[in-house]
Amino acid sequence: GESVGLHLPTLSVQEGDNSIINCAYSNSASDYFIWYKQESGKGPQFIIDIRSNMDKRQGQRVTVLLNKTVKHLSLQIAATQPGDSAVYFCAENYGGSQGNLIFGKGTKLSVKP
Amino acid sequence: DAGVIQSPRHEVTEMGQEVTLRCKPISGHDYLFWYRQTMMRGLELLIYFNNNVPIDDSGMPEDRFSAKMPNASFSTLKIQPSEPRDSAVYFCASSLAGYAFFGQGTRLTVV
Repeated sequence: GESVGLHLPTLSVQEGDNSIINCAYSNSASDYFIWYKQESGKGPQFIIDIRSNMDKRQGQRVTVLLNKTVKHLSLQIAATQPGDSAVYFCAENYGGSQGNLIFGKGTKLSVKP
Repeated sequence: DAGVIQSPRHEVTEMGQEVTLRCKPISGHDYLFWYRQTMMRGLELLIYFNNNVPIDDSGMPEDRFSAKMPNASFSTLKIQPSEPRDSAVYFCASSLAGYAFFGQGTRLTVV
């Protein structure tokens, strides 16, 4: 069936470096994508979103890139900090309903001081 | 706003017992979601409501699970009878448009 998957289950980076977390999606009908951050013992927290009519969106230290040709989504974190250590999930929404939000398995980001 | 509020934060129960998880969504949000998170299966959507009406419950594992939303400010997820394989973190989330806000979750352990 349709699914959202992540290329890298774990990612370790040095503090101050840039981080790139990748996500592949398989549902070409998906029109909305979201990145969430989940810290230990907490619920997922919204980071940034992007709609399918865009290919790039920037936030504070984060950038999401969407490549619809290859169905690929990435989250770039600039100047990674220890507080960025968490599990990152991409999620896709399709079918025009907010309820159809499917999450990937997650990538654990570890930041080394 | 205090965000999405879930209770209890932790629940330990014996197999066969009934468990009720509670959720208070963010005021004004018209969508409410229940998710389950395990290491093996990740985040799974169980059921969601729009304006208090269940829209899609295809993610509910089996008849032992039921969810209600009697009003716009309260929802419950009930498991009866509970089984050890139900052990997981259960999240409630709500949204108005776009992305969902998640609660802190309820960690359920069934022994």
